[in-house]
Amino acid sequence: KAGVTQTPRYLIKTRGQQVTLSCSPISGHRSVSWYQQTPGQGLQFLFEYFSETQRNKGNFPGRFSGRQFSNSRSEMNVSTLELGDSALYLCASSLEGRETDTQYFGPGTRLTVL
Amino acid sequence: AQSVTQLGSHVSVSEGALVLLRCNYSSSVPPYLFWYVQYPNQGLQLLLKYTSAATLVKGINGFEAEFKKSETSFHLTKPSAHMSDAAEYFCAVSPQGAQKLVFGQGTRLTINP
Repeated sequence: KAGVTQTPRYLIKTRGQQVTLSCSPISGHRSVSWYQQTPGQGLQFLFEYFSETQRNKGNFPGRFSGRQFSNSRSEMNVSTLELGDSALYLCASSLEGRETDTQYFGPGTRLTVL
Repeated sequence: AQSVTQLGSHVSVSEGALVLLRCNYSSSVPPYLFWYVQYPNQGLQLLLKYTSAATLVKGINGFEAEFKKSETSFHLTKPSAHMSDAAEYFCAVSPQGAQKLVFGQGTRLTINP
């Protein structure tokens, strides 16, 4: 089976712009989660989607949003980019999104905000 | 709120030596605990997980971890380090009822030849 894929792998934007990141989960996986990784804050949970519905949300401002499509593919959007949004954004998928399910991570999208 | 603390942001061992990476959790209910590894420029890969079955959990690449409720610990060990083990290791907890991992700050493991 193909793993979790994320596109693009690298992105450079300027402050004030918006960005959309894409994630394709492992075939058959219905839950997709997003995480932000920075040197200062480490790995932080953004949100989780299951069957096109956001089930869990982390402590991030409303500029961060996401959605999930009927084929389980997911996108996350960051509007009005700030310098502090520079990070590695990781997507993870799991079968049913239960707390004991293994989350399989993609390689990430590295976003640089100038 | 559940949390994990990884003691030591950097650990250095010699090739062939014991690897011990420490993780302590904070949880009012039995937690679900995970260890992930991240190689440079890659995502995270699951090493092992504890989901309230056996307290000694064996994972991939010769790693294992023991859940000790009395010590609120879930330390990761490997009897003999290999150069390919050099990476960053993350301990994480998953709250009951939610698929959201809460990660520790990570431990960078260096293997000396």
